[in-house]
Amino acid sequence: EVQLVESGGGLVKPGGSLRLSCAASGFTFSSYSMNWVRQAPGKGLEWVSSISSSSSYIYYADSVKGRFTISRDNAKNSLYLQMNSLRAEDTAVYYCARLGVRDNGMDVWGQGTTVTVSS
Amino acid sequence: AIRMTQSPSSFSASTGDRVTITCRASQGISSYLAWYQQKPGKAPKLLIYAASTLQSGVPSRFSGSGSGTDFTLTISCLQSEDFATYYCQQYYSYPHTFGGGTKVEIK
Repeated sequence: EVQLVESGGGLVKPGGSLRLSCAASGFTFSSYSMNWVRQAPGKGLEWVSSISSSSSYIYYADSVKGRFTISRDNAKNSLYLQMNSLRAEDTAVYYCARLGVRDNGMDVWGQGTTVTVSS
Repeated sequence: AIRMTQSPSSFSASTGDRVTITCRASQGISSYLAWYQQKPGKAPKLLIYAASTLQSGVPSRFSGSGSGTDFTLTISCLQSEDFATYYCQQYYSYPHTFGGGTKVEIK
């Protein structure tokens, strides 16, 4: 079964750091670009970051650039999001998602992990 | 960044209705557009990519059309399981922006 499972969310104080992980199974992880997408409480979806299959190409939303770092370990079938200098507005459910064949949409999503930034 | 504008933001409909949701891009994106369905507390689900290609396993009552800047998602005969929020997303250029969402509620 094709599956993505996020972990690492939690409560953190403003200015703090958190590292999210996404474990992939059921497909050849190293062949796909991967993404992080977040959703603040009661709000819409916000694309956060993308990384190509070999980590050659990395992109960030302006809202997280310079604070978040996306990475992957193809040997471990894992995707990561290192989040530093966290702000209250980073509070959200964070989803990892696979970019489909020929980059046509995000076709596999995890269940999400919740990040709460609060003092 | 390309801005994606969906309309309406919400509406009520009845089972069996034909519904159409519109998504407009602030600049041309060819056919690099996807539609997602999201139900409360769940992850989004890909419905359509490349503006009009149905994702495997998605019922044929869903269809997409458009290119350039104007796109539509149509549900030909609304079913109870279709009450959800729908998002468009462009993947023509980074950042891959989403529309604000359209919530389809039961009338």
